[in-house]
Order: sequence, then structure tokens, then C-alpha cells
Amino acid sequence: EADIYQTPRYLVIGTGKKITLECSQTMGHDKMYWYQQDPGMELHLIHYSYGVNSTEKGDLSSESTVSRIRTEHFPLTLESARPSHTSQYLCASSETTVYGYTFGSGTRLTVV
Amino acid sequence: KQEVTQIPAALSVPEGENLVLNCSFTDSAIYNLQWFRQDPGKGLTSLLLIQSSQREQTSGRLNASLDKSSGRSTLYIAASQPGDSATYLCSPGNDYKLSFGAGTTVTVRA
Repeated sequence: EADIYQTPRYLVIGTGKKITLECSQTMGHDKMYWYQQDPGMELHLIHYSYGVNSTEKGDLSSESTVSRIRTEHFPLTLESARPSHTSQYLCASSETTVYGYTFGSGTRLTVV
Repeated sequence: KQEVTQIPAALSVPEGENLVLNCSFTDSAIYNLQWFRQDPGKGLTSLLLIQSSQREQTSGRLNASLDKSSGRSTLYIAASQPGDSATYLCSPGNDYKLSFGAGTTVTVRA
């Protein structure tokens, strides 16, 4: 049973809309991550957080923003969605590098 | 920047054959290496985690080896089954993130 939850699972939305992708974990992990994956392509890190009030940009430039107000919650926001944002977004968390990463089921976003 | 290469890119085998999936990475300064499975359109499921001080890990039909100094890891799947069909991702981890290659897509034919 997954301990990291992403909602919605699928989202189709029009250009220009503001959207928030939710990610929550029940494991008390300090470290959380957002990865972006285009169909058939590699995962790329777009944001990460080491704890409350800590957020950093990843390797792949993204127009999205994140916040970390509570340990268990790491939402991703797009202020104005565009077709180029169409992708799968995967959230992950870890306690320490010793225990590895746990991934959520992902949100598949389509912007029309 | 960590570069991860997985060979082969795709593999199709009849049920019962053993699978060998290879992974190489350019930066050997890793803390651990994690193998994941990804089904189409889904998230990642962790299969095995090898710490940098370890040489291998085993779980059921799965065995993964790690040669950190040469930047290589191999995933062995014994007696493959159709349910093993998926994309397998090798992910070396440093102090702040995992890196990913394009994966090996496996098809096991019944």
C-alpha cells in the first residue's frame, strides 16, 4: 500500500488555467521531490525540499512553483497552464539516503 | 552531471528465461543505487536498494549487483514471467537526488 499519495490521478485542463497538483506522504519524511516525465522519456527533477519552508529548483527548468508549509504536504502549482506542460508529474519522498525513495502513482496532466 | 545508460533499451524474451539488465553511470560518488519498476502510465515501484558499501542485494527472483568504482550495476531476474513485463529503471543516488536513465523495457511472452 502506497504511503505517498498524489491527486488527481488524471487531469485535462484548458490553456491559461491555474492548477495545483497535490502530494502527501504519511511517513514523516523530511525530503520530498517532484519529477517530470514525458511519455517514453526519462524522469527529470524539477523541485525538491529538505523540510518545512525549504524548496529548491531541480535540474530541469520548470515554470511550476512548490511550497512546503507542512512536512507531509508538497503541492506543485502552475499559474497558467500551457500545452507544453502536458506531461506526467511524479512526487517522491525519502527519510535518508539509507532508506531510498518512495514514489507516488503520478498525475498525468494534459493541457488542451 | 550524472549520466545513466541502460542497455539494452528493450528486451523481449519467452517466459522462463533469465533476464540481465545492465546499467552504467558516470559519477561514482553515489550514496546508493535503487532499481525501480514502472508500468505504463504509472508511478515507480522500488525493487531493490543497494548501499554504496554493498556489492549486491537479493529479493526473491531479483538480484542486483553494484560495482561502484567502475560505475556499473546489473539487475538479474530469474525465471521470468509475463507479469515481469515493465520498464526497469536504474537510479544512482547522491546526497540530494536520484538520477535516471531511459530504462530497459522488458516484454515477457507467454
